[in-house]
Amino acid sequence: AQSVTQLDSQVPVFEEAPVELRCNYSSSVSVYLFWYVQYPNQGLQLLLKYLSGSTLVKGINGFEAEFNKSQTSFHLRKPSVHISDTAEYFCAVRKAAGSYQLTFGKGTKLSVIP
Amino acid sequence: DTGVSQDPRHKITKRGQNVTFRCDPISEHNRLYWYRQTLGQGPEFLTYFQNEAQLEKSRLLSDRFSAERPKGSFSTLEIQRTEQGDSAMYLCASNPVGGRAGDYEQFFGPGTRLTVL
Repeated sequence: AQSVTQLDSQVPVFEEAPVELRCNYSSSVSVYLFWYVQYPNQGLQLLLKYLSGSTLVKGINGFEAEFNKSQTSFHLRKPSVHISDTAEYFCAVRKAAGSYQLTFGKGTKLSVIP
Repeated sequence: DTGVSQDPRHKITKRGQNVTFRCDPISEHNRLYWYRQTLGQGPEFLTYFQNEAQLEKSRLLSDRFSAERPKGSFSTLEIQRTEQGDSAMYLCASNPVGGRAGDYEQFFGPGTRLTVL
């Protein structure tokens, strides 16, 4: 079975400052990795995904993430946040073969302070 | 708007009542998923369909829960004899088989928020 740990439940950060949201996963098989964002009263929107290849993945809205297999991590970063980035962010994994279900972490609430 | 739609958006019911939610996936998306999200938690997988076939079910899907996708298009999720612990956001997602997006990204609907009193 896969599991995902998001190490911070809440992250406050000042506008235009950099941010890193941490995600560690556990799996005995190869996985695909995802970051989703959820704005209040909305569904989840995909920010970026890692399937294979380059370990640095760029996504929408200026976000990027780096896959580190040895540390089983997939941390999300943005060099300069905006007020509009205030939302909840979820890291998720899926087996690379045999199942399509996503396993999510508990989420990190990013609050951008003006 | 051609995204995943869910109906109703909110449902308040009394314990013991039955409720049914509907999900309309993006047109021509073969796979459809149901997840449940409780307060302070990430979404948890419930079940998934490929066309009309229900191919995976989580242990979270107790006997009181049943999902259908009779014609391979929209899906319904029914909860019988609701309990207060069923209070949650029920999310639906869909994706195509193959194609440029492949089967990697799941497109989520806005969810149905269930409150059981």
